[in-house]
Amino acid sequence: KQEVTQIPAALSVPEGENLVLNCSFTDSAIYNLQWFRQDPGKGLTSLLLIQSSQREQTSGRLNASLDKSSGRSTLYIAASQPGDSATYLCAVTGSSNTGKLIFGQGTTLQVKP
Amino acid sequence: DAGVIQSPRHEVTEMGQEVTLRCKPISGHDYLFWYRQTMMRGLELLIYFNNNVPIDDSGMPEDRFSAKMPNASFSTLKIQPSEPRDSAVYFCASRSGTSNPRELFFGEGSRLTVL
Repeated sequence: KQEVTQIPAALSVPEGENLVLNCSFTDSAIYNLQWFRQDPGKGLTSLLLIQSSQREQTSGRLNASLDKSSGRSTLYIAASQPGDSATYLCAVTGSSNTGKLIFGQGTTLQVKP
Repeated sequence: DAGVIQSPRHEVTEMGQEVTLRCKPISGHDYLFWYRQTMMRGLELLIYFNNNVPIDDSGMPEDRFSAKMPNASFSTLKIQPSEPRDSAVYFCASRSGTSNPRELFFGEGSRLTVL
């Protein structure tokens, strides 16, 4: 059974810092991995999707990497801003691509001005 | 496109009452998912549909929960009778089965409180 873990559960950093959020999964046979952002009281917004054949994806100040063999992904946020404060979740889709996403518990990020 | 649309956004009801949550997926998407989010358990997949057909309902907690998708543009999640432990945010999400990448798009959620 696939399990997804995110560490740390919460993170507080001063504005301007570069930071890394971690995601690990127990079954390396995945189809893709997706990072989401969730603001309080809101739905999830997709940030980046990495196919199993890819090693990383970039969007603006965000860079997500994938090491399938070790069951790990990282989300790198450069020059963090207070507006980045949110909960970040990673989710994996199994290799059969049934469409099911298994989510981690998320990392709640606070960026202090 | 307006995105995934869910209603109601908030529902407060008493134990034992029937609750119906509604979802309109993004036009053209052939996969629809219902998730439940709680502080204790995070995001859990309840059920998902492909081309209006339920594919996997193994996450549906018990017989009190049922979901339907009568057509490509509408789905419901029903809880009857509701219990306080059903209090959660219920999310609907949709995606295309053919586009690449196959991103999942979420609605804003329906926050359910059962007293």
